Amino acid sequence: EAGVVQSPRYKIIEKKQPVAFWCNPISGHNTLYWYLQNLGQGPELLIRYENEEAVDDSQLPKDRFSAERLKGVDSTLKIQPAELGDSAVYLCASSLGGTSGGDTQYFGPGTRLTVL
Amino acid sequence: AQSVTQLDSQVPVFEEAPVELRCNYSSSVSVYLFWYVQYPNQGLQLLLKYLSGSTLVESINGFEAEFNKSQTSFHLRKPSVHISDTAEYFCAVSERNQGGKLIFGQGTELSVKP
Repeated sequence: EAGVVQSPRYKIIEKKQPVAFWCNPISGHNTLYWYLQNLGQGPELLIRYENEEAVDDSQLPKDRFSAERLKGVDSTLKIQPAELGDSAVYLCASSLGGTSGGDTQYFGPGTRLTVL
Repeated sequence: AQSVTQLDSQVPVFEEAPVELRCNYSSSVSVYLFWYVQYPNQGLQLLLKYLSGSTLVESINGFEAEFNKSQTSFHLRKPSVHISDTAEYFCAVSERNQGGKLIFGQGTELSVKP
């Protein structure tokens, strides 16, 4: 079974440029998460989708970040414009779904963003 | 609000020695507890989790963790570590019946030396 796929793995951009990250979750997983991981820190949730609906985006900086999950499968996270402080690893995870909170989340390898 | 504290940022140990990685959490509601591991250049993987029942949970590679409700702790232990256990370990919690938002600790870097 294929795991969570993310691309690109690495991205270097100049500040004020736009950038997009793509995630393909495990087949059959209804819930998709985007996390931000700063160096030396644990991941922090940015947004959670149940199918195509964003059910928790309270931690997403909406002035510059946007996300979509068309057809409830793949997802794209965008930053426009990027700032120096956005340099981090962006993780995508998926799980079978449900509201119990006990699901195992399966993580992709992440996209390491460097903003110069 | 929930929070997770991993008390040690780095734990160096010699091969075959025992190890304990400490995790404390704060929450006003019932939680599920998780340990994730991140090997070098790899994604996070679930090591073990506590949902209910026995407070002692085990992983397939010899790690165990015990849920202690009174001390709000979920420490991870292994009686004898291997070089291959070198990795970053993250403790995490999620609130019961509130979807799947994980709150992670800062991580503990376990370094096993020969």
